[in-house]
Amino acid sequence: QSALTQPPSASGSPGQSVTISCTGTSSDVGGYNYVSWYQQYPGKAPKIMIYEVSKRPSGVPDRFSGSKSGNTASLTVSGLQAEDEADYYCSSYAGSNNLEVFGGGTKLTVL
Amino acid sequence: QITLKESGPTLVKPTQTLTLTCTFSGFSFSTGGVGVGWIRQPPGKALEWLALIFWNDDKRYSPSLKSRLTITKDTSKNQVVLTMTNMDLVDTATYYCAHRYDFDYYFDSWGQGTLVTVSS
Repeated sequence: QSALTQPPSASGSPGQSVTISCTGTSSDVGGYNYVSWYQQYPGKAPKIMIYEVSKRPSGVPDRFSGSKSGNTASLTVSGLQAEDEADYYCSSYAGSNNLEVFGGGTKLTVL
Repeated sequence: QITLKESGPTLVKPTQTLTLTCTFSGFSFSTGGVGVGWIRQPPGKALEWLALIFWNDDKRYSPSLKSRLTITKDTSKNQVVLTMTNMDLVDTATYYCAHRYDFDYYFDSWGQGTLVTVSS
């Protein structure tokens, strides 16, 4: 069982927006502004899409955005494109000992 | 450009010790401010953070696996080694190494991963 809870699946049509949630506790998501989101295609390594809740690395389209409220973080993909179909994982800093925890992953399907 | 590549056995037997090596380029422990972590992913399942070593030899482990893991670095060879003892069938997974900066809390570059199968 993963430390952070994500819905197993999400879907949307091209051009629509979809939001994926990531629920933790006050010891991880709620306690720090260090939530990250990774995109992973089948058979490939994860790629960082969002860090520190809402920051985008260079090269990541601004269609991807992140936010947080309490113990739940969210990734929103706007203007869905076929290439956005992938698995998405959230992660959070969880203190100096546990350091980092991942979510169970969400498979995003573009209909 | 930062690159990382994992190497090690593709098949290990139950109870054996797994040794994986991460060889990287594009950064160096000697210049400080960096870390290399290991993350694994069982087939069809989620990512799991395992261990992390920083440029100053500070080491962190997943609490649930701490007793079985050892992470070390060889600065001169640009390598990080992860050992996992007492391998079990449930440890079958793709093992990734990844780079992060000291004060960042995410991995910005990942290796391609290496699949390790545990089977008798």
